[in-house]
Amino acid sequence: KAGVTQTPRYLIKTRGQQVTLSCSPISGHRSVSWYQQTPGQGLQFLFEYFSETQRNKGNFPGRFSGRQFSNSRSEMNVSTLELGDSALYLCASQSDPGSTDTQYFGPGTRLTVL
Amino acid sequence: AQSVTQLGSHVSVSEGALVLLRCNYSSSVPPYLFWYVQYPNQGLQLLLKYTTGATLVKGINGFEAEFKKSETSFHLTKPSAHMSDAAEYFCAVSDYNQGGKLIFGQGTELSVKP
Repeated sequence: KAGVTQTPRYLIKTRGQQVTLSCSPISGHRSVSWYQQTPGQGLQFLFEYFSETQRNKGNFPGRFSGRQFSNSRSEMNVSTLELGDSALYLCASQSDPGSTDTQYFGPGTRLTVL
Repeated sequence: AQSVTQLGSHVSVSEGALVLLRCNYSSSVPPYLFWYVQYPNQGLQLLLKYTTGATLVKGINGFEAEFKKSETSFHLTKPSAHMSDAAEYFCAVSDYNQGGKLIFGQGTELSVKP
């Protein structure tokens, strides 16, 4: 089975722009979660999607949004980028939320905001 | 609210020595506990997890961890360190009600000296 894939792997944007990141979960997985990783704040939960519905949300401003499609692929969008949004964005997939099944992480998208 | 504390942001051991990475958690409900490893420029890989049942959990690459409810701890150990174990290690907590949401500790960077 192919693992979790994230595109693009690297992105450079300037302040004020917006960006869309994509995540394709493992085949058969219906739950997708997003995390932001920075040296200062560590790994922080952004949101979780299941069956095209946001099931859970972390403490991030409304500039951060996401969605899930019927094939379970997910995208996250960050509008009006700030320097502090520079981070590694990780996507994880799981068969079903709340299950004891393993969450598998993708390699991440490294976003740099200049 | 759930939280995770990893004692020691950096741990250094000699090759062949015992590896001990400490993790304490806070949770008002029975927790699910995880250890993940992250190599440079990569995503997170699951080492092991505790959900229910046996409190001593064995994982990949010779790692194991013991869930101690009375101490609210889930320390990670490996009897003999290998150079390839050098990486960053994250302890995380979740529960059934949180679905895919993982709360991570700040991480411990493990260095292995020859």
